[in-house]
Amino acid sequence: GAGVSQSPSNKVTEKGKDVELRCDPISGHTALYWYRQRLGQGLEFLIYFQGNSAPDKSGLPSDRFSAERTGESVSTLTIQRTQQEDSAVYLCASSPARGYTFGSGTRLTVV
Amino acid sequence: AQSVTQLGSHVSVSEGALVLLRCNYSSSVPPYLFWYVQYPNQGLQLLLKYTSTATLVKGINGFEAEFKKSETSFHLTKPSAHMSDAAEYFCAVSDRDSGNTPLVFGKGTRLSVIA
Repeated sequence: GAGVSQSPSNKVTEKGKDVELRCDPISGHTALYWYRQRLGQGLEFLIYFQGNSAPDKSGLPSDRFSAERTGESVSTLTIQRTQQEDSAVYLCASSPARGYTFGSGTRLTVV
Repeated sequence: AQSVTQLGSHVSVSEGALVLLRCNYSSSVPPYLFWYVQYPNQGLQLLLKYTSTATLVKGINGFEAEFKKSETSFHLTKPSAHMSDAAEYFCAVSDRDSGNTPLVFGKGTRLSVIA
């Protein structure tokens, strides 16, 4: 597609529920990144994919967080048993080689 | 490990005044450096990037940044602020020699422009 597409744009979920966030990168971009942005904070790195492998998942905050990617296409970030501290904007970016293109993010609110 | 420090979480300038947003980096290898802008409720947009060619980098919307190795700085400037420049600005650093390693971002600086 023309840009990085993320869905849903907004998600409100009850504490303890699982959520799945989706990222459609720009076609042909081999690298894909997930970041988290809490209210008033900077970007916190979560995980990065090169193709469908994840060379660096050091930023995943707990084992409740997981991500996968199909080939060089769609990626999903799954948060199990959501907690209130998971409330944030989750940003996805894709890149052919440095200089990311970001999606508009998914705003997750855990109530 | 790389890191970025943005001095000032909030900067306020008058319309038409100089904009200066400060960024200092720490990197054990030659870095690539970036400035991104985030408008309300939007994703991040690349303003400019330093990739070791010219130390003075010009970006979109009249912004520019100068890489100063001796000061480990990459400050963002614009001669004359517009109301439309009000946004959050993020500085980021990448390891030049390690493929697609993730960018490390600063905490951001919110720019307010006063009429």
